[in-house]
Amino acid sequence: EVQLVESGGVVIQTGGSLRLSCAASGFIFNDFTMHWVRQAPGKGLEWVSLINWDGGTTYYADSVKGRFTISRDNSKNSLYLQMNSLGTEDTALYYCAKEEKVASSVGYSYYYYLDVWGKGTTVTVSS
Amino acid sequence: DIQMTQSPSSLSASVGDRVTITCRASQSISRYLIWYQLKPGKAPKLLIYAASSLQSGVPSRFSGSGSGTDFTLTISSLQPEDFATYFCQQSHSTPWTFGQGTKVEIK
Repeated sequence: EVQLVESGGVVIQTGGSLRLSCAASGFIFNDFTMHWVRQAPGKGLEWVSLINWDGGTTYYADSVKGRFTISRDNSKNSLYLQMNSLGTEDTALYYCAKEEKVASSVGYSYYYYLDVWGKGTTVTVSS
Repeated sequence: DIQMTQSPSSLSASVGDRVTITCRASQSISRYLIWYQLKPGKAPKLLIYAASSLQSGVPSRFSGSGSGTDFTLTISSLQPEDFATYFCQQSHSTPWTFGQGTKVEIK
């Protein structure tokens, strides 16, 4: 069974640091780009970051750029999110998700989507 | 960034009803549009990708349509397990962005 399990969420004070982990199983982890997505209480989903299969390419939302770092250890089938300088606006349920792609019928392009998600881990930043 | 606007933000419907949710992108995204279902305490579930492709295992009462800037998710006959929140998302360009969500409630 394909599965993603997040961990590491805690209650932490503003300005603190935290590392989230995501354990992957049931698929060849190092074949896939991985993402972090979050949902603040009562809010919608916000894409946070992605990392390609070998860690050589990463992207971040402007809201976390310079504070968060995404990484992966393919030998451990694990994805990470290092979160620094946390603020109350970072309070959220954090999901990790696996990216899938399918070839477009037009040209040499792909459609990308997140086909497997974990249940999330909760980060609460208190002042 | 591409803005995604979903409507309505919530709706009340009965079992058996046909439900339509719309999603509009602030610029053309071709068919780079995805629909997800969220339920509290559960992992988000992929329903539709590439605007209209049904994810394996998703019931055929779910369908998606559209291209460019305007997209629709339709549930042809609402079932009790479909009461949830639905989000659209674009994967045309980073940052990937989501609509604000549509909560489908029991009438």
